[in-house]
Amino acid sequence: AQTVTQSQPEMSVQEAETVTLSCTYDTSENNYYLFWYKQPPSRQMILVIRQEAYKQQNATENRFSVNFQKAAKSFSLKISDSQLGDTAMYFCAFMKHDNAGGTSYGKLTFGQGTILTVHP
Amino acid sequence: DADVTQTPRNRITKTGKRIMLECSQTKGHDRMYWYRQDPGLGLQLIYYSFDVKDINKGEISDGYSVSRQAQAKFSLSLESAIPNQTALYFCATSPWNSGEQFFGPGTRLTVL
Repeated sequence: AQTVTQSQPEMSVQEAETVTLSCTYDTSENNYYLFWYKQPPSRQMILVIRQEAYKQQNATENRFSVNFQKAAKSFSLKISDSQLGDTAMYFCAFMKHDNAGGTSYGKLTFGQGTILTVHP
Repeated sequence: DADVTQTPRNRITKTGKRIMLECSQTKGHDRMYWYRQDPGLGLQLIYYSFDVKDINKGEISDGYSVSRQAQAKFSLSLESAIPNQTALYFCATSPWNSGEQFFGPGTRLTVL
């Protein structure tokens, strides 16, 4: 079974600064996806960024980027130029990727979440 | 219009009552999921369905049942609600060939 650990229950950052959220995971699988989801106070789950384990290049989406260290099983999220609208709970999630389309494909395992507050 | 909708958005009920939470999607995805979120915890998978005839238990299925009435509809039932089922419930969908899941707005359920 896979486990996902987010060791920072809460983080805070000043507007326009950079913050990094940590995530580690444990798996014996070689093919998988990793995700960061954002949950603002509206409680909607919003996909921020995704990383495929076979890709060595770190994923980037505008102000959001990841540092994916496969050997260390680490997947951190960096938010640059933080904005007030980034205030939310952030979840790291793992999904096994079975190229044969097995039943394990599509099930997300979530970390406990990190509450990020951006201060003006 | 939202691609994944959940009804109701909020519900308060009493112990022992039967409750049904409904999820509908217009994305045309085959795969649908029900998750539960407790305060301070991430989402946990209750049930998932890869097509209309395929239903699978997730991590925490005890006390819940589901029905996949059509490709677009996936309902979650609590046959006899208990207070520790008070939580936020999310429905999600995904296409068969992608890891990305699309979430509904959530249903906040309170069992007194």
